[in-house]
This record gives sequence, structure tokens and C-alpha cells, in this order.
Amino acid sequence: GENVEQHPSTLSVQEGDSAVIKCTYSDSASNYFPWYKQELGKGPQLIIDIRSNVGEKKDQRIAVTLNKTAKHFSLHITETQPEDSAVYFCAASGSGTSYGKLTFGQGTILTVHP
Amino acid sequence: DTEVTQTPKHLVMGMTNKKSLKCEQHMGHRAMYWYKQKAKKPPELMFVYSYEKLSINESVPSRFSPECPNSSLLNLHLHALQPEDSALYLCASSLSPREGGNTIYFGEGSWLTVV
Repeated sequence: GENVEQHPSTLSVQEGDSAVIKCTYSDSASNYFPWYKQELGKGPQLIIDIRSNVGEKKDQRIAVTLNKTAKHFSLHITETQPEDSAVYFCAASGSGTSYGKLTFGQGTILTVHP
Repeated sequence: DTEVTQTPKHLVMGMTNKKSLKCEQHMGHRAMYWYKQKAKKPPELMFVYSYEKLSINESVPSRFSPECPNSSLLNLHLHALQPEDSALYLCASSLSPREGGNTIYFGEGSWLTVV
């Protein structure tokens, strides 16, 4: 089955700095890669996603890049703010019998210091 | 805000109790999911329903029994649970494969404590 590795496990930055979280996946059939933000006591919130036919996607301060050949994808947050502090999860899923089956990375605890 | 609503938000139950978790979505999604999340761990898939039929069961013990009464509702019936089943139970929904989408939206979860 799919295996997703996520690094780093913790990330501490100063307000205004950029933050980068990286993930690698094992199954070349995976074609959908979402990123979730989870605040304490809440469910995961989708913040951005990318499909395998696209190399990069941006939404305001958040961007995701995908390298299918190397099987890795990254989340980039620019101009970080204290409210960006949360746990971030990357995930991967495929089609067919793997449809809807998200395999998550272990998560990154992001702390943005004012 | 999430459009997947879960009740109750918190549940404490004894090992001999029978209880149910409920989930509702009004996004017209035909795929619904149950995930389990332990503290400081990522969510893990339990069940997938597509068009009200169970399509994936990730070898979940029979003390967890899912039910999809209609396209908007998803229940998880709990019976004879163990303390190690204490976790955050997340409901999610998405378009079905037939509809061409797989963006999955999560609810806020139900915190379950088994005593």
C-alpha cells in the first residue's frame, strides 16, 4: 500500500518568515495530494490540494509543488502569521480501488512566533 | 467552516454500552467516510461508503458498525468498545469517483472516551 513520509515533524519560525514542509510518497499510482491544517480540538481543514497533472498550485500565501518523477510534494507558506500555527498533514490518494483512501503523513507541528 | 456536521462532539461510554456517532452533510456528496485519529497521530481510514453502499472496510473490528441510511447521513454504531478505542472519530465526505472528484472534507469530529 501507499506510504507517505513527512518532514520536519516540528517547525518553528518567526512571524513573516516562510515555512516549507516536505512529503514523499511510495505509490506511483497516487494522483491526488491534499494538505490539511488541524488546529487543537478541531477536525482537519483542507487548505490546498494538487493533482498529478499539475506541477504547482498557489492560493494567496500558500503554494504546493509536485514532482511526480521524484514522488515528492511540498507545502510553502509565505509571510507566516501566528494564526498559521497548527499541525499540518500531507496526504496522498489514488483512483480505482484506492479512491477516497487518504494515506496521511505523520504531521508537522508548525509554530509561528510573533 | 466545515459543512460536515458531527454529533455528539464528546461522548463518554462504558465498555458495555451501546452508543452511536452521527454525521450529516448537505453538499450533495455521494461518498462518505469514517476516520479514526489517536492523539498526536494522523487520521486513519476506517470505512468508505459510496452511493450508500459500503465500499471499503479497513479490517475494522465488528464492535464498530457503520450505517448509511441515506445520501446525507452516516452513522457509526459502537458496542462493547475497549479503552484503547478512545480517539477522535472523524466523518468526511466527497464527490464519488463517478462524479470525478476526490476532494475530501472533514467534520470537526466526535471525541470518544471509553471507560
